[in-house]
Amino acid sequence: EPEVTQTPSHQVTQMGQEVILRCVPISNHLYFYWYRQILGQKVEFLVSFYNNEISEKSEIFDDQFSVERPDGSNFTLKIRSTKLEDSAMYFCASSDPALQFFGPGTRLTVL
Amino acid sequence: EDQVTQSPEALRLQEGESSSLNCSYTVSGLRGLFWYRQDPGKGPEFLFTLYSAGEEKEKERLKATLTKKESFLHITAPKPEDSATYLCAVRGGIQGAQKLVFGQGTRLTINP
Repeated sequence: EPEVTQTPSHQVTQMGQEVILRCVPISNHLYFYWYRQILGQKVEFLVSFYNNEISEKSEIFDDQFSVERPDGSNFTLKIRSTKLEDSAMYFCASSDPALQFFGPGTRLTVL
Repeated sequence: EDQVTQSPEALRLQEGESSSLNCSYTVSGLRGLFWYRQDPGKGPEFLFTLYSAGEEKEKERLKATLTKKESFLHITAPKPEDSATYLCAVRGGIQGAQKLVFGQGTRLTINP
């Protein structure tokens, strides 16, 4: 069964460093998303991406964040200068377009 | 602003004890209500989607129902492996908008 994959599973970084989180969406999906979940809190929408451009973004997704589809299979989230409050689980999702399927997540820890 | 509230926050049942989880929502133009299951440290796993009031979906011991203001996830004769956090999410707004707005989840524990 096709699934969304994410790497790494856990990333530890120092405050102010850049991180790139990677995702491989389900192959025939055209819509891609990033969500995050701070420990003990709700899953929050960050950004959606379609046809090689951002289609929607939340207030959380400020200039420190960017997304890219560098090739036909990968979808990345870059955080330019990490802050302590960026520590969270980051989930990638893809959809067909109605049903969103989520990856296992990357746990980002900012020290 | 779209909002989702789930109750209870946590529910502990004995194996075989049926119950229901509630999801109340406010959304401008509902274009789908979604139920996901989330195990600790994992991503949400899709269960059901409902689009209009009166609709029902079933899968094994789970049944989801929808009204104009809330959805219920009924669990019948649960087993310990049904223990998880159950998330409700809505998609609304203008045609083409895709974001899901999630509730905080109900943490379900089934004791053997």
